[in-house]
Amino acid sequence: GENVEQHPSTLSVQEGDSAVIKCTYSDSASNYFPWYKQELGKGPQLIIDIRSNVGEKKDQRIAVTLNKTAKHFSLHITETQPEDSAVYFCAYPNSNSGYALNFGKGTSLLVTP
Amino acid sequence: DVKVTQSSRYLVKRTGEKVFLECVQDMDHENMFWYRQDPGLGLRLIYFSYDVKMKEKGDIPEGYSVSREKKERFSLILESASTNQTSMYLCASSSAPLSSGGYEQYFGPGTRLTVT
Repeated sequence: GENVEQHPSTLSVQEGDSAVIKCTYSDSASNYFPWYKQELGKGPQLIIDIRSNVGEKKDQRIAVTLNKTAKHFSLHITETQPEDSAVYFCAYPNSNSGYALNFGKGTSLLVTP
Repeated sequence: DVKVTQSSRYLVKRTGEKVFLECVQDMDHENMFWYRQDPGLGLRLIYFSYDVKMKEKGDIPEGYSVSREKKERFSLILESASTNQTSMYLCASSSAPLSSGGYEQYFGPGTRLTVT
């Protein structure tokens, strides 16, 4: 599958601080960029997504920004809380099928009280 | 409420055994997927299906096959299990596109398979 690089692989922040996770992709035809959150013992769940014709999208404490020129998109979590602790995955459409996704390797976020 | 269920949370099988992993969704979704999740590698697509009896290879189909006889059920088959297939297996489904143009995938809780 196509390559998507996700950084950092682990991130530890104090409660109330912001967290930023970045993904870089290679397929310039990509037009949809979701972020998934996986809590312990559960499957990933969509938390926010963005289309290529939009530069930023916000939903309460989370936001996603997209830079199509540089081919990267980022997840921003503000005012982090302990329940934000989870593994976060970026993704984008698999070129073999618009229905399937290529996932990044994940970022393990730990929010300490 | 949207639900994807997987037949087992934990499974232990021996090398060479034929293994069936079952996934059922109750949302009438057209598309279903099987991924495997390994530490440091993220989720990798094994197979997907966009309709009953239709299947497409993903990025790592070797050693696996799938079956979709009914819309709600998608099975992953390990023809002859090997130790390198020890992993977490995640099933997902999706349907109509979102307003953003993408397809939200709904995941099951996963099956942790150990092959000894």
